[in-house]
Amino acid sequence: AQSVTQPDIHITVSEGASLELRCNYSYGATPYLFWYVQSPGQGLQLLLKYFSGDTLVQGIKGFEAEFKRSQSSFNLRKPSVHWSDAAEYFCAVGNTDKLIFGTGTRLQVFP
Amino acid sequence: KAGVTQTPRYLIKTRGQQVTLSCSPISGHRSVSWYQQTPGQGLQFLFEYFSETQRNKGNFPGRFSGRQFSNSRSEMNVSTLELGDSALYLCASSLGTSGTNEQYFGPGTRLTVT
Repeated sequence: AQSVTQPDIHITVSEGASLELRCNYSYGATPYLFWYVQSPGQGLQLLLKYFSGDTLVQGIKGFEAEFKRSQSSFNLRKPSVHWSDAAEYFCAVGNTDKLIFGTGTRLQVFP
Repeated sequence: KAGVTQTPRYLIKTRGQQVTLSCSPISGHRSVSWYQQTPGQGLQFLFEYFSETQRNKGNFPGRFSGRQFSNSRSEMNVSTLELGDSALYLCASSLGTSGTNEQYFGPGTRLTVT
């Protein structure tokens, strides 16, 4: 059965610092991998998606993620965080059957 | 292009009542998925409809049901409401099936059961 784990419930960083949010998945084959962001009071928005090809994926808002098959990971990164990045981030794993979300990581940004 | 809309945005119901939530997908999208979001359980998949057919259903009791109309608009219904049904209900639409395509989310319906 497919599953996805986000080990960090809450992360705090200073504005301008780099960011890495962790995501580990369990799936027999190569899954579709997604990162979504949810700002307070809003629905989710897709940041980036991976299925095949280059293992380093560029997304919107300056985010990128790297697929590492050997570690079953799909970590999200940003070199310099802005105060507007404060939100909840969800990793998701999907196939032709369904999509499963991780429990989310809440990002807090200090000035 | 208009985004996904959900109505109503906020709802207060009493335990034992039933409720119907509505979702209008982005024009041209044939897949509509519903999720329940709570602080304790996170985002949980309820069901997905594609071209008026339920493709998949999450692990929820039969009190939760849904349907999709020919114009792709979808409704979900919860009967005999329980306090634990208080949550943000999110609807998402996509061109293809939810597991392999980008989903566009609505702002959600905040349901409070008292």
